[in-house]
Amino acid sequence: KQEVTQIPAALSVPEGENLVLNCSFTDSAIYNLQWFRQDPGKGLTSLLLIQSSQREQTSGRLNASLDKSSGRSTLYIAASQPGDSATYLCAVRRNSGNTPLVFGKGTRLSVIA
Amino acid sequence: GAVVSQHPSRVICKSGTSVKIECRSLDFQATTMFWYRQFPKQSLMLMATSNEGSKATYEQGVEKDKFLINHASLTLSTLTVTSAHPEDSSFYICSPQIQETQYFGPGTRLLVL
Repeated sequence: KQEVTQIPAALSVPEGENLVLNCSFTDSAIYNLQWFRQDPGKGLTSLLLIQSSQREQTSGRLNASLDKSSGRSTLYIAASQPGDSATYLCAVRRNSGNTPLVFGKGTRLSVIA
Repeated sequence: GAVVSQHPSRVICKSGTSVKIECRSLDFQATTMFWYRQFPKQSLMLMATSNEGSKATYEQGVEKDKFLINHASLTLSTLTVTSAHPEDSSFYICSPQIQETQYFGPGTRLLVL
């Protein structure tokens, strides 16, 4: 059974810092990996999706990398802003078709102005 | 991106009552619907998978007679929490899938007193 772990569980940084969020998964046979943002009491916003054949994806100040063989992914946030404060969730899909995403518990990020 | 709505967004009910949550995909047709729930500071946990016109498949530990899922059309799925108890208090999120991409509703916060 796939298990997704995210470290750290919580992180507080001053504005402007670059930071890295970590995600690991136990079964490396994945189809893709996705990073989401969740604001308190809200739904999910997709940030980046990495296919199993890809090494990284970038969107603005966000960069996600994938090392499938070692079961790891990182989300790099450059020049953090208070508006980045949220919970960041990592999720993996086992294969194509009607298989659901399996989520980690998330990292709660606070960016202090 | 696709638009998904959930209704109600928040509900408070007495123990023993039933609550129906509606999930609509507003601009696309979803043959597959995933239902997740999220307890405070926990990850999204898959409850069940349903395909339009078929019975839902429930995850281990999720009672199918307690959490009734109806996916009668390609744009509407409902989750009914029957005889709700305080331990059912959670954040419920629907996730329709189209072309191997999962979209997420804004969630329904259920509080059972």
